[in-house]
Amino acid sequence: GQNIDQPTEMTATEGAIVQINCTYQTSGFNGLFWYQQHAGEAPTFLSYNVLDGLEEKGRFSSFLSRSKGYSYLLLKELQMKDSASYLCAVRGGDYQLIWGAGTKLIIKP
Amino acid sequence: DAMVIQNPRYQVTQFGKPVTLSCSQTLNHNVMYWYQQKSSQAPKLLFHYYDKDFNNEADTPDNFQSRRPNTSFCFLDIRSPGLGDAAMYLCATSRKTGTGNEKLFFGSGTQLSVL
Repeated sequence: GQNIDQPTEMTATEGAIVQINCTYQTSGFNGLFWYQQHAGEAPTFLSYNVLDGLEEKGRFSSFLSRSKGYSYLLLKELQMKDSASYLCAVRGGDYQLIWGAGTKLIIKP
Repeated sequence: DAMVIQNPRYQVTQFGKPVTLSCSQTLNHNVMYWYQQKSSQAPKLLFHYYDKDFNNEADTPDNFQSRRPNTSFCFLDIRSPGLGDAAMYLCATSRKTGTGNEKLFFGSGTQLSVL
């Protein structure tokens, strides 16, 4: 079957760096997305990776290793507003999106 | 600003009483999706439209129906809501590109409560 795994919850300190991991097993691969979702709100797009390597966008970076079925989202200089769930989603071989359950990130002062 | 709009933001219905959730978009995207999301769970795709072509997920209960009268609007009808249907319902749109980087734009969601 197809599966995406992310840690359920992580805690980090304001100003620090945190890495949120995502591993996946899918039938085919056509890219990996990261979305941010604040409590009670809709997901918003953060990043898309389809080739191996690191994509940097301001304080957020996303990494992909297709051979390992692995991605991470790196958040630097954490701010309280970064407290949210981070959803990993993979577009499989049939172009359908498979979603992870999300990682709830708690930022402490 | 172009966007995806869902109404209402919060909806309370009674067990078994039909309810309709609405979604509109000004992005002129040709694909519209309805997702169900329960607390701390992955969004679950219910169905999607590619233009007027309706695509129902195999495990979407018959209790859930959808209509897309035109490009801009899409409706989710729950014919007889049960307690298990209480969830956040997310509408999303995308422009079909045939490539993997087709990203979804979400509305603010409708939180449905069933009493």
